[in-house]
Amino acid sequence: GAGVSQTPSNKVTEKGKYVELRCDPISGHTALYWYRQSLGQGPEFLIYFQGTGAADDSGLPNDRFFAVRPEGSVSTLKIQRTERGDSAVYLCASSPLGLAYNEQFFGPGTRLTVL
Amino acid sequence: SQQGEEDPQALSIQEGENATMNCSYKTSINNLQWYRQNSGRGLVHLILIRSNEREKHSGRLRVTLDTSKKSSSLLITASRAADTASYFCATEETSGSRLTFGEGTQLTVNP
Repeated sequence: GAGVSQTPSNKVTEKGKYVELRCDPISGHTALYWYRQSLGQGPEFLIYFQGTGAADDSGLPNDRFFAVRPEGSVSTLKIQRTERGDSAVYLCASSPLGLAYNEQFFGPGTRLTVL
Repeated sequence: SQQGEEDPQALSIQEGENATMNCSYKTSINNLQWYRQNSGRGLVHLILIRSNEREKHSGRLRVTLDTSKKSSSLLITASRAADTASYFCATEETSGSRLTFGEGTQLTVNP
């Protein structure tokens, strides 16, 4: 695939449930980012991976949010005990190592709705 | 938290006119980038300007950066209906490689 893909495109869940959101970055991109975007707002940074490790997770709002990238490619964002305030579009982006600048390539997002 | 502030929040123009959007930020940056978003989904990178650059062009886009005022502007010339979208500025701070986005400008180009 040519671009970043995210699955599912839409996820509806009930308050208190657990959800997993998946991101497939562009092949060969070592940097991967998760953002959250609420309606009418700009994306907010959640976490950044360089390879398999989380280089910066300071944007995760609380300990209900966790993300992994075990093989340095696909990443999963996990949300436990979902709350209505978690409803948003979750965006994933990747960028290649070695670029002099940090252009990020975004996926189409997963729209999460917590009822 | 959102660093950038864009103005206007919404802009409506006629096809063929120019559109100017402004962005202000608060911290020291490595670069500033502009992204476009259609229908609240994936963002598309438009242009990047480094902190040591003052102006950059790409097709119908012109970006300026004034680091002394911590502000940037995006000019779209000869706008088309297909330019209708939300436009976001994003800054890469010197402290790391995360992007911090503004709240965006909703541009509507009327045919």
